[in-house]
Amino acid sequence: KAGVTQTPRYLIKTRGQQVTLSCSPISGHRSVSWYQQTPGQGLQFLFEYFSETQRNKGNFPGRFSGRQFSNSRSEMNVSTLELGDSALYLCASSQGTQNTGELFFGEGSRLTVL
Amino acid sequence: KNEVEQSPQNLTAQEGEFITINCSYSVGISALHWLQQHPGGGIVSLFMLSSGKKKHGRLIATINIQEKHSSLHITASHPRDSAVYICAVMEYGNKLVFGAGTILRVKS
Repeated sequence: KAGVTQTPRYLIKTRGQQVTLSCSPISGHRSVSWYQQTPGQGLQFLFEYFSETQRNKGNFPGRFSGRQFSNSRSEMNVSTLELGDSALYLCASSQGTQNTGELFFGEGSRLTVL
Repeated sequence: KNEVEQSPQNLTAQEGEFITINCSYSVGISALHWLQQHPGGGIVSLFMLSSGKKKHGRLIATINIQEKHSSLHITASHPRDSAVYICAVMEYGNKLVFGAGTILRVKS
């Protein structure tokens, strides 16, 4: 059974640009959640999608958005990039929602903003 | 004060030692996760708990809901257990909040 796949694994952008990250969950999993990890703030919850609907959102500005498609694949978008957006972005999938099922994490997308 | 506090922040142990990592939280929760992160970033879910105790191989996790406290124990530690261990709580309202992590190094 294939694991959670995140693309791209590494990317470099400049301030003001936008970026789209992709997450393909484990087959059959309907929940995809996104997290940001930085050395200063640690891991922080961004948002969760379940059956194409955003269930929850963390405390991030509106520049951070996401969506989920009918095949459960999810994308997150960050617009008008700032230096502080440099981070490892992780997604996780689960059969149920975040609070009912075990989380399976992808390897992450490491974003550097110059 | 952080909602999720882990202790210790850093831990060095000799191979074979019994290890305990603690997690305390200040809010009502519906579940608690213990996660393991190796260098390079990959995260593995070790346990999801809402009450009592779970065991998987050499790993044991316990939670006391009344005291808002959970512990992760590693028996017969091995160098391959070296990693960052992260406690995360699911608050009511379905927001996952993470501890800062415990960096574990097991020496042979």
